[in-house]
Amino acid sequence: DTEVTQTPKHLVMGMTNKKSLKCEQHMGHRAMYWYKQKAKKPPELMFVYSYEKLSINESVPSRFSPECPNSSLLNLHLHALQPEDSALYLCASSPRDGGEKLFFGSGTQLSVL
Amino acid sequence: QQQVKQSPQSLIVQKGGISIINCAYENTAFDYFPWYQQFPGKGPALLIAIRPDVSEKKEGRFTISFNKSAKQFSLHIMDSQPGDSATYFCAASMANDMRFGAGTRLTVKP
Repeated sequence: DTEVTQTPKHLVMGMTNKKSLKCEQHMGHRAMYWYKQKAKKPPELMFVYSYEKLSINESVPSRFSPECPNSSLLNLHLHALQPEDSALYLCASSPRDGGEKLFFGSGTQLSVL
Repeated sequence: QQQVKQSPQSLIVQKGGISIINCAYENTAFDYFPWYQQFPGKGPALLIAIRPDVSEKKEGRFTISFNKSAKQFSLHIMDSQPGDSATYFCAASMANDMRFGAGTRLTVKP
């Protein structure tokens, strides 16, 4: 299994909703990432988990809350989002601590109304 | 602050031609330079990558040229095909921190 699986593929939520994005990989990778990508823009790093511990938080607003329950799973909890948070949210993993050879999922397209 | 600068923003090439995309970086601590290919509705996929101790790497029709002293690297796509039409991102990485260029939208006309 060489895939990073993200669910849901699409999500529409209101500004008062609470929702979660899920990511799963079974490649034994020890680092997992959340990226945010706006249309026609490059991915922007949000969070990095290394060996299930948060190692990088790129000054992301607290309305985004990451969680790594185990080495295969990564969640992103969303609360009180703003319309400008609408974007493609990408999960990625890499074989080892070091950020190389990122394997990306297909993303969750999020729309905040 | 954009740590990796990529050009051109868009590129149109005829089938069979050579596509060239350029990137420049500032931070000499970067030690891994990948190129990613992204199709609409999909996440980026690793295409080819190079380390700074190598000046060139070739995989099939894709070649990275790396100039450490100039802090520049480029992607060459030989014999470009319509199926290569996608957005290409260069990136530079150190530790767990990977930074992407702005992207180049490549269109290969049949």
